[in-house]
Amino acid sequence: DTGVSQDPRHKITKRGQNVTFRCDPISEHNRLYWYRQTLGQGPEFLTYFQNEAQLEKSRLLSDRFSAERPKGSFSTLEIQRTEQGDSAMYLCASSPVDREAFFGQGTRLTVV
Amino acid sequence: AQRVTQPEKLLSVFKGAPVELKCNYSYSGSPELFWYVQYSRQRLQLLLRHISRESIKGFTADLNKGETSFHLKKPFAQEEDSAMYYCALSAPPYALNFGKGTSLLVTP
Repeated sequence: DTGVSQDPRHKITKRGQNVTFRCDPISEHNRLYWYRQTLGQGPEFLTYFQNEAQLEKSRLLSDRFSAERPKGSFSTLEIQRTEQGDSAMYLCASSPVDREAFFGQGTRLTVV
Repeated sequence: AQRVTQPEKLLSVFKGAPVELKCNYSYSGSPELFWYVQYSRQRLQLLLRHISRESIKGFTADLNKGETSFHLKKPFAQEEDSAMYYCALSAPPYALNFGKGTSLLVTP
């Protein structure tokens, strides 16, 4: 499968624990996006990279959230001190410049 | 500020009937508009974008700048069109801004 890949697909964690998700974009896509989707809502933008540079962060991205794309290829999204309100589907997408975004299948996080 | 509004959470039509999924947006400049679709247990995927002016799976959407709308239309709905549809807007710095989505159910 040469599409956007996300790992893990599902994560259950206890409140207060840290979690890290990984996204592997389509090869040569220089833009990478993270979104969060909760039940009954559309995807909400979290952050965006062009190559290794993080160009935009949503106000939704509290200081407990951090994202990296160290070599301009894969990206990680870390949530520290998870809260029940962090339970959601976390989506990654990638695109070339001026083309549509291609989405991964997401990581479903459940905080108990 | 950018905003995308999809007023219908659920739209139910009979097979063969016309369907229109509404999308309105607010943005002061010239945005790019998209429709994304999510079939059951599949990833979100692009259906069409306004600049390509294509018809995909019989769906079309016209950007009406005067009414700030980008409604999705199909003259004859099919059961396989049942899915979640999201309208999205892209403007500098280019992250997609999605509406809340409309669930389309096509019944036989």
